[in-house]
Amino acid sequence: DAGITQSPRHKVTETGTPVTLRCHQTENHRYMYWYRQDPGHGLRLIHYSYGVKDTDKGEVSDGYSVSRSKTEDFLLTLESATSSQTSVYFCAISGWGSGTDTQYFGPGTRLTVL
Amino acid sequence: AQTVTQSQPEMSVQEAETVTLSCTYDTSESDYYLFWYKQPPSRQMILVIRQEAYKQQNATENRFSVNFQKAAKSFSLKISDSQLGDAAMYFCAYRSAESGGYQKVTFGIGTKLQVIP
Repeated sequence: DAGITQSPRHKVTETGTPVTLRCHQTENHRYMYWYRQDPGHGLRLIHYSYGVKDTDKGEVSDGYSVSRSKTEDFLLTLESATSSQTSVYFCAISGWGSGTDTQYFGPGTRLTVL
Repeated sequence: AQTVTQSQPEMSVQEAETVTLSCTYDTSESDYYLFWYKQPPSRQMILVIRQEAYKQQNATENRFSVNFQKAAKSFSLKISDSQLGDAAMYFCAYRSAESGGYQKVTFGIGTKLQVIP
């Protein structure tokens, strides 16, 4: 299994509070991704990173920001959580080139916004 | 834009039997990758199988195999000798093979597989 961890694994928070989710990899892969998973929608990309301090938006980026100060860490921040952001969040990583370009996923974080 | 369709929200199979999960996709590209991911109740997303579109041979991983029909844009997953541990949500996914930079992965909405003892 790819070395990807996410923290926390579960979180309950209240509307309007800031939340930060952390993804940590030990594979030294270039690309890192944040997805959210909701019933009936599969996985949808929030943001991705293609290197340290290099990030870009995905299809559902509103209300989310990211940062990557080190190769191994990719942070997802909800500046002011809303109930619509209740979801399961997955981090994924991939390398560059044939054989390493497949995305591998972390264990997920279940976030509940009350 | 590419789309991935999984038309079977739920399926069931008897233990030791064979089941096929369907996936169709829409693309104008000629070179791409297709994937099946498994998500058991633990929530972990696990890569089951990967197919490169330029390879005509269907990918196989132990009891898992695919039927890749490029002209029909179909990518079904066959699970042979089904086991209780195969019970999970299965996601089909598509990724362009264009070189240079990030390539978006498009996921289907999933098929929930139940394995009956």
